[in-house]
Amino acid sequence: ELKVEQNPLFLSMQEGKNYTIYCNYSTTSDRLYWYRQDPGKSLESLFVLLSNGAVKQEGRLMASLDTKARLSTLHITAAVHDLSATYFCAVAGYQFYFGTGTSLTVIP
Amino acid sequence: SAVISQKPSRDICQRGTSLTIQCQVDSQVTMMFWYRQQPGQSLTLIATANQGSEATYESGFVIDKFPISRPNLTFSTLTVSNMSPEDSSIYLCSVGTGPREKLFFGSGTQLSVL
Repeated sequence: ELKVEQNPLFLSMQEGKNYTIYCNYSTTSDRLYWYRQDPGKSLESLFVLLSNGAVKQEGRLMASLDTKARLSTLHITAAVHDLSATYFCAVAGYQFYFGTGTSLTVIP
Repeated sequence: SAVISQKPSRDICQRGTSLTIQCQVDSQVTMMFWYRQQPGQSLTLIATANQGSEATYESGFVIDKFPISRPNLTFSTLTVSNMSPEDSSIYLCSVGTGPREKLFFGSGTQLSVL
C-alpha cells in the first residue's frame, strides 16, 4: 500500500515568515495534489502536479514535485493569517492516498 | 468542476442507531467515493460507490456496517449502521471525473455518537 507522510504535522509561524511543508510518498507516482481544509470545512483543491519538476504557484503558495525523490513541497512565502488551515497532499495511485496533514497556524 | 451537496451537515446520534448521509452532485459523474476523517486524522477511503452495482469496499470496511446506495450518476447515500462512539468522525462524499483526476469534496457530515 502506498504511504504518504507529511512533515511537520503542526506548524506555528509568524506572519511574514517563510516555511516549507514536505510530502514524502513510498512508491512511484507522477500525479500529486495539494488540498486545503479549514476547520469544520471540507477540502479545497489547491494544486495538481503532473510530472517530475512540475511547479505551480498561487499567491503565497508554491508547490513542486520531484518524482525521483518521491517528494513534493509546499512553500509558503510571507505568511498571512488567512493561510491558517490544514494542508494535505494526496498521491493519485490506484486510489487517492492522503498524507497525514499539516496543521498550519499563522500568528499575527 | 462539480458542486456537491451533502446532508446532514452534522448530527448527534445515540449508540445502536443508524444514520444515512446523502450526497447529490450537480452533474453526472462516473466516480463517487465515501471517505472517513477521524478527529485530527487524515482521510481514509471507505468505499467506491458504483452505479447500478454493489459498492467496492476498502480493507477494514464492510457492507453490513456501511451500506451504500448509488441509484444513478448524480446521487449516493452512505449509512452508518449500529453506531458506536468509535464511529464519531467526519464523513465526506467525493467525486472524480476520471481515474486519478482531481477529487471534489462535499461539505462533510460531522457525526457524534453518544
